[in-house]
Amino acid sequence: AQRVTQPEKLLSVFKGAPVELKCNYSYSGSPELFWYVQYSRQRLQLLLRHISRESIKGFTADLNKGETSFHLKKPFAQEEDSAMYYCALSGYSWGKLQFGAGTQVVVTP
Amino acid sequence: EPEVTQTPSHQVTQMGQEVILRCVPISNHLYFYWYRQILGQKVEFLVSFYNNEISEKSEIFDDQFSVERPDGSNFTLKIRSTKLEDSAMYFCASSAAGGPRTDTQYFGPGTRLTVL
Repeated sequence: AQRVTQPEKLLSVFKGAPVELKCNYSYSGSPELFWYVQYSRQRLQLLLRHISRESIKGFTADLNKGETSFHLKKPFAQEEDSAMYYCALSGYSWGKLQFGAGTQVVVTP
Repeated sequence: EPEVTQTPSHQVTQMGQEVILRCVPISNHLYFYWYRQILGQKVEFLVSFYNNEISEKSEIFDDQFSVERPDGSNFTLKIRSTKLEDSAMYFCASSAAGGPRTDTQYFGPGTRLTVL
């Protein structure tokens, strides 16, 4: 069965500090991994996907198949990064996204 | 920039009543989805829809649920006889492409359904 685990419900960091959001997955094939972000009172929006290998808003994520992880990182957190972050997986199913429970990030000045 | 829209933003209904949640996907998108999020829980997949057919549905999507694309722009989720446990935020999403490797899904703002 496919599963996405985000072990941290809440991550509180100071502005300028590095931030890392953990995501582990369970899937027997080659998954496609995504990070979605939801700012306060806004819709879910795609932050990045592993196949594009881009850095968006200073965030990067590397798919580690050996550790079955797709951790999200940013070297210097900004106040505007405060949001809910969801890791999601797509496998063989027809477009189905499997979401993790989400991590609330709070960046304090 | 085009966006997925959903109406209403909040729906309150009595247990046993039928509700229809409406979505207008991005105009050139071909794949449509419904997800739900019960308060404090994960976002859960309900159903995907392409070419006027359900492509996949989850175990949550039982006989009380149905989806329809009644015209060229709307995509609806009907819950025939609502239960208390159907109270959740319902998100519609659409993508230009789909299939085993999903294209980027664009989400609507959600409809909060409250069943009393």
